[in-house]
Amino acid sequence: GAGVSQSPSNKVTEKGKDVELRCDPISGHTALYWYRQSLGQGLEFLIYFQGNSAPDKSGLPSDRFSAERTGGSVSTLTIQRTQQEDSAVYLCASSLEARRNTEAFFGQGTRLTVV
Amino acid sequence: RKEVEQDPGPFNVPEGATVAFNCTYSNSASQSFFWYRQDCRKEPKLLMSVYSSGNEDGRFTAQLNRASQYISLLIRDSKLSDSATYLCVVSDASGGSYIPTFGRGTSLIVHP
Repeated sequence: GAGVSQSPSNKVTEKGKDVELRCDPISGHTALYWYRQSLGQGLEFLIYFQGNSAPDKSGLPSDRFSAERTGGSVSTLTIQRTQQEDSAVYLCASSLEARRNTEAFFGQGTRLTVV
Repeated sequence: RKEVEQDPGPFNVPEGATVAFNCTYSNSASQSFFWYRQDCRKEPKLLMSVYSSGNEDGRFTAQLNRASQYISLLIRDSKLSDSATYLCVVSDASGGSYIPTFGRGTSLIVHP
């Protein structure tokens, strides 16, 4: 079956503009995660959705970042008034559910460049 | 979120060598442990889960030491195709859900 799909794969935007990044998780996966990875750095947790529960937003770096997940499936990460330090690869992952020893499957990421 | 620490390397080894990576984690309540592999400019993919009793998958052996809060990965008979970044991943229950926390990764280069 299809894996996690993210779009766009690359995005170049001007500083101050808003961007939306999309994630289509694997069908039937109830848990969805957003991470970002800056050049040469590890994965930084941003936000987590589990079914219809309130999302865990504890990793969002500022109030310019927000995310939603509609119908328990597709998720959109929005960055408002982008800054150069927002440049990174934004990775989405999904898993059957967030429980012990459950594998997270990643999309190929959106490479965001803010100029 | 609690930290997961790894030696970034790179570990530069010849084909056929045995190489070991360690990872330490700070949250003693952590419940799930994994090694992921990430190739250059690609997404991370699960290499193996790490169980309390230790586990092996072909040339790869993973071990967990809860008392010292570290995880290890041993690769025997290294292949050129093993060149990648190896990410240590730890999950601890947050309100009943497990959110993976990633280390920065250890870079492995296997040369002929």
